[in-house]
Amino acid sequence: GIQVEQSPPDLILQEGANSTLRCNFSDSVNNLQWFHQNPWGQLINLFYIPSGTKQNGRLSATTVATERYSLLYISSSQTTDSGVYFCAAGYNNNDMRFGAGTRLTVKP
Amino acid sequence: SQTIHQWPATLVQPVGSPLSLECTVEGTSNPNLYWYRQAAGRGLQLLFYSVGIGQISSEVPQNLSASRPQDRQFILSSKKLLLSDSGFYLCATTSGGASTQYFGPGTRLLVL
Repeated sequence: GIQVEQSPPDLILQEGANSTLRCNFSDSVNNLQWFHQNPWGQLINLFYIPSGTKQNGRLSATTVATERYSLLYISSSQTTDSGVYFCAAGYNNNDMRFGAGTRLTVKP
Repeated sequence: SQTIHQWPATLVQPVGSPLSLECTVEGTSNPNLYWYRQAAGRGLQLLFYSVGIGQISSEVPQNLSASRPQDRQFILSSKKLLLSDSGFYLCATTSGGASTQYFGPGTRLLVL
């Protein structure tokens, strides 16, 4: 199956700083998604981005499918951005593999 | 927009007891449904998925089973829980041919 690796595993930022999270995957995929898990466990879908670039407010994501990686950018971070960010990749939704996540802590 | 309900929110069960977790979806029809498990501090593992009533595909052999008795109801069961079944169980859905996955609030299961 597809292997998904995320880096860094942990990230601590001061409020207002920018950050880049990386997701590497082991094979060509048709489905790549980024999620944010808040401290209460709720998973929120941030992006569906098998290729290209998307932006949503202070968040943006880029996937370079030919090189098998995706990046999540967080600009002007806020304390509410804290939590765990997961990347998931697969050939379709029925075989999605999640990375181990990046735990982000934003300090005021 | 669709809403996913899961219950119970938390559950503490003894080893060897049965399990039934329920997931229901509102605001959509004929969704694809998924059960994931998240061990403490880890990523998510896909357990089962269903593309329709009575249609269940298993990703990981284990002592858990799933059923889909109605279009928008997905149930995760076990006849005898193991300590290793402890974790955070999440139900997810996609619908309308879209690939974006949406997750329910989850059930925290502790097996003692």
